[in-house]
Amino acid sequence: SQTIHQWPATLVQPVGSPLSLECTVEGTSNPNLYWYRQAAGRGLQLLFYSVGIGQISSEVPQNLSASRPQDRQFILSSKKLLLSDSGFYLCAWRRGQIGELFFGEGSRLTVL
Amino acid sequence: AQRVTQPEKLLSVFKGAPVELKCNYSYSGSPELFWYVQYSRQRLQLLLRHISRESIKGFTADLNKGETSFHLKKPFAQEEDSAMYYCARITGANNLFFGTGTRLTVIP
Repeated sequence: SQTIHQWPATLVQPVGSPLSLECTVEGTSNPNLYWYRQAAGRGLQLLFYSVGIGQISSEVPQNLSASRPQDRQFILSSKKLLLSDSGFYLCAWRRGQIGELFFGEGSRLTVL
Repeated sequence: AQRVTQPEKLLSVFKGAPVELKCNYSYSGSPELFWYVQYSRQRLQLLLRHISRESIKGFTADLNKGETSFHLKKPFAQEEDSAMYYCARITGANNLFFGTGTRLTVIP
């Protein structure tokens, strides 16, 4: 069966520090991968998606970047965090471009 | 832009009462719409999709093209229905765009 994991689950970082959130999927190949941010009052905002290794599409301009170094690995990064980067980050995958999205457990980032 | 709107951030109903979570979408032909749910301490997960025309955990959602709505309904709310509910639609890029969510609280 397919599983998706994110880590770390919680992270507290000072403003200006770097960020790396990791997401891995097991039990499937060539998944479409997604990073969403869940912010209070703003719902779920799609940040990045990837249809293959090295292929990243950004939905909104921001201080974050994403990379997909391996087929089932998706990384969310920042060189210098801002206060506004605080939030709950969700990784998700699905098979192809249709069908159900499967979400990870989420990573809560607090920037102080 | 292809969007969905959930006008209620919070909704409280008593156990056994009917519940309706509202979702409206911007018109664009034949949208593909979904409801996702996040129970406390659980992952966000699919509840139902309009093309399936199914009832899951007593919930149904009918696509109303005239009103551009996809409201989620249940005739008798249960305490375990308390959760965060998101309406979502497929965009032109085949990505899922989510609404801002409605937190449902069922009062015992």
